[in-house]
Amino acid sequence: QVQLVQSGAEMKKPGASVKVSCKASGYTFTGHYIHWVRQAPGQGLEWMGWTNVNSGGTKYAQTFQGRVTMTRDTSISTAYMELSTLKYDDTAVYYCARDSSTWGNVDYWGQGTLVTVSS
Amino acid sequence: QSVLTQPPSVSGAPGQRVTISCTGSSSNIGADYDVHWYQQLPGTAPKLLIYGSSHRPSGVPDRFSGSKSGTSASLAITGLQAEDEADYYCQSYDNSLSDYVVFGGGTKLTVL
Repeated sequence: QVQLVQSGAEMKKPGASVKVSCKASGYTFTGHYIHWVRQAPGQGLEWMGWTNVNSGGTKYAQTFQGRVTMTRDTSISTAYMELSTLKYDDTAVYYCARDSSTWGNVDYWGQGTLVTVSS
Repeated sequence: QSVLTQPPSVSGAPGQRVTISCTGSSSNIGADYDVHWYQQLPGTAPKLLIYGSSHRPSGVPDRFSGSKSGTSASLAITGLQAEDEADYYCQSYDNSLSDYVVFGGGTKLTVL
């Protein structure tokens, strides 16, 4: 069965960087894009960008341009999202999610990684 | 402010029918992009509920249905059950922004 397992919770200081991992299993990793979506406490879903896992190409939401880097390591079926210059309002749960590759929807989600930015 | 507009909350009694709207524009839903719906139970990751505007993944009860017309889409839930109490999000694509994937702001469904 398809599974996306994310790395554990992180606590960072303002100005630092965080890197979240997302290990995929149960399907051909290179056959599907990986999206990253975040959710601030009590707020809605916010799309951050995606990685074309096959080519390594990326597309980032304008809000995060210059601060986010999405990569992948196909040898270990793992995608990564690194967010730099963290601010207090980057405190959120960060999700990786698999693109269905057919309809433009996400069909599987990781369990989420809580990133807390605090001094 | 989300590109796709949803009502913040809806409510209904057990057994009733509720609908959740998702209003977009000519650059997203109106550009004939599909709309997808996700259900998020408290403290959990979102789950795909409807894809391609009206298709249900296996395992999703047929009490859930989706439709799309013009620049809007709707999620309907019939035979409301207590377990349906959750947040619901619509999602589509947008060709006017660099934020290619767009979500609605979410709707909290309360089962009375």
